[in-house]
Amino acid sequence: AQSVAQPEDQVNVAEGNPLTVKCTYSVSGNPYLFWYVQYPNRGLQFLLKYITGDNLVKGSYGFEAEFNKSQTSFHLKKPSALVSDSALYFCAVRDITGGFKTIFGAGTRLFVKA
Amino acid sequence: DTGVSQNPRHKITKRGQNVTFRCDPISEHNRLYWYRQTLGQGPEFLTYFQNEAQLEKSRLLSDRFSAERPKGSFSTLEIQRTEQGDSAMYLCASGGEGPNTEAFFGQGTRLTVV
Repeated sequence: AQSVAQPEDQVNVAEGNPLTVKCTYSVSGNPYLFWYVQYPNRGLQFLLKYITGDNLVKGSYGFEAEFNKSQTSFHLKKPSALVSDSALYFCAVRDITGGFKTIFGAGTRLFVKA
Repeated sequence: DTGVSQNPRHKITKRGQNVTFRCDPISEHNRLYWYRQTLGQGPEFLTYFQNEAQLEKSRLLSDRFSAERPKGSFSTLEIQRTEQGDSAMYLCASGGEGPNTEAFFGQGTRLTVV
């Protein structure tokens, strides 16, 4: 069965500093990995995905994520945080041998202080 | 096409009543998902469709829940004999061909059972 863990309920960072939001996953086969962001009173928005190839993937709003197969991790990163990045972030995994079912983590709230 | 549309946005119902939600996916998408999200949690997978076929259902989807996608276009989620524990945000998402495509979410229907 697929599962996703986001070990931090909240991440606090000062504006202009780099940020990392952690995610680890478990699948029986090879994973497709996704990050989504949720702003208050808005739907989940897709940020980026890892399918295959380069372990560093780039996405929307300057975010990137690094896939590490040996550590089964897919951490979200941004070199310089903005106050407007403050939101709820969700990591998700899909087992490529298991159809289209996608499992989400519990979420990490990012708070960027000016 | 402006994205995934869900109706109603909010629903308040008395315990024991039946409710039905509608989701209109992005028109060219053949996959459609239903998720449930409670406060402070990530989206929990309920079910998904490939065209009109319901391919997988979560154990969360008790016999009081039923989902349909009659012509492979819009979908409905019905909850019979609602309980207070059913109070949550119900999210719909759609996705295109291929297991490596991301899902696009609607803004959800917030259900409150009183």
